[in-house]
Amino acid sequence: NAGVTQTPKFQVLKTGQSMTLQCAQDMNHEYMSWYRQDPGMGLRLIHYSVGAGITDQGEVPNGYNVSRSTTEDFPLRLLSAAPSQTSVYFCASSYDRGQHEQYFGPGTRLTVT
Amino acid sequence: AQSVTQPDIHITVSEGASLELRCNYSYGATPYLFWYVQSPGQGLQLLLKYFSGDTLVQGIKGFEAEFKRSQSSFNLRKPSVHWSDAAEYFCAVGSNNDMRFGAGTRLTVKP
Repeated sequence: NAGVTQTPKFQVLKTGQSMTLQCAQDMNHEYMSWYRQDPGMGLRLIHYSVGAGITDQGEVPNGYNVSRSTTEDFPLRLLSAAPSQTSVYFCASSYDRGQHEQYFGPGTRLTVT
Repeated sequence: AQSVTQPDIHITVSEGASLELRCNYSYGATPYLFWYVQSPGQGLQLLLKYFSGDTLVQGIKGFEAEFKRSQSSFNLRKPSVHWSDAAEYFCAVGSNNDMRFGAGTRLTVKP
């Protein structure tokens, strides 16, 4: 199993550009989520999904969109990038939201100039 | 909603010394507790977890953690630290429909 994969690993955007961060898992997990990690702030939940066709907002959803058309894929879209979105982004999957281990991807380091 | 506090932002220990990383949580019921490790440039990897039963749980890489309900704590320990243990450590608390992570503790290991 590949586990959770994320692409790209690194990305530089200019303010106002849009892009999609890709995330896929091959463990048939219903629950998938996106976090951002900033120094001293730990992991903050952006959006999550409890199954195909179902998404919901986390702590810091503004400026991001998600969709879940299949169990395997959970892309994160930045609509109009801002310097405040410079961060490391992690995708994770699990059997559920709180009772089981979350499996994390390797992360995407995004810089917005 | 539950919350997690890791009081120590950064800890430095000498190689071979013992280690204890603190984690305190706030939650009304018995939580699901996790410790993750993040090596530089990597994603998070599960070290150990507690759901119920024996309050002392063993994990990978020689780590253990003890759940103390009376203190709302789930501290991570290792008797003898290796240079390869240098990383960031995250405590997390889960419930039926939520998961919260602490801010992390960065561990530096001195030769």
